[in-house]
Amino acid sequence: NAGVMQNPRHLVRRRGQEARLRCSPMKGHSHVYWYRQLPEEGLKFMVYLQKENIIDESGMPKERFSAEFPKEGPSILRIQQVVRGDSAAYFCASSLGHKETQYFGPGTRLLVL
Amino acid sequence: AQKITQTQPGMFVQEKEAVTLDCTYDTSDQSYGLFWYKQPSSGEMIFLIYQGSYDEQNATEGRYSLNFQKARKSANLVISASQLGDSAMYFCAMREGLLDSGTYKYIFGTGTRLKVLA
Repeated sequence: NAGVMQNPRHLVRRRGQEARLRCSPMKGHSHVYWYRQLPEEGLKFMVYLQKENIIDESGMPKERFSAEFPKEGPSILRIQQVVRGDSAAYFCASSLGHKETQYFGPGTRLLVL
Repeated sequence: AQKITQTQPGMFVQEKEAVTLDCTYDTSDQSYGLFWYKQPSSGEMIFLIYQGSYDEQNATEGRYSLNFQKARKSANLVISASQLGDSAMYFCAMREGLLDSGTYKYIFGTGTRLKVLA
């Protein structure tokens, strides 16, 4: 039973470029969460999605960041016009239901030059 | 105010000894959940153990146990018989009850870095 998959594992972008981070939840999980971890800090909630719906995006920056979880395919976290402060590890988690334990992917480490 | 507080930025423990990692939380909800995750140097987040606010027994998973003291709002992780592979960052997290959006939020502490000495 494959766990949560994230790709790429490492992503390097120059300032002003776009970053696309992908997350495939565990089989059977329809709830996806994105978190950001700055160096030496804990995880900060960004957004919670179910298939085709954003349920809670209260942790998402208002500009440049967007997320989707289409009917088919992985969830995508998109960061437009990246800045150096976007450099962080971005984790995706999935759960069977929103009351259930979240299982995390390996993360994508974004470095903005 | 911090919702999850981990006061120990770093801890050392001798191999084969037990170690307790502290976690206190702050919530006014009656229904909540407490989690511990391990993050080794490779970076992934590994789920270790869960305690529900209504669970009367302390949770245990192998060498991991959660010392849940509801009145004190603490949920300390106890690792028995430490192994070198236990060296990692450990995060305490809380899932609060239903919010206006009808969903739950996970809030993470800042972590404790554990080093197991041979």
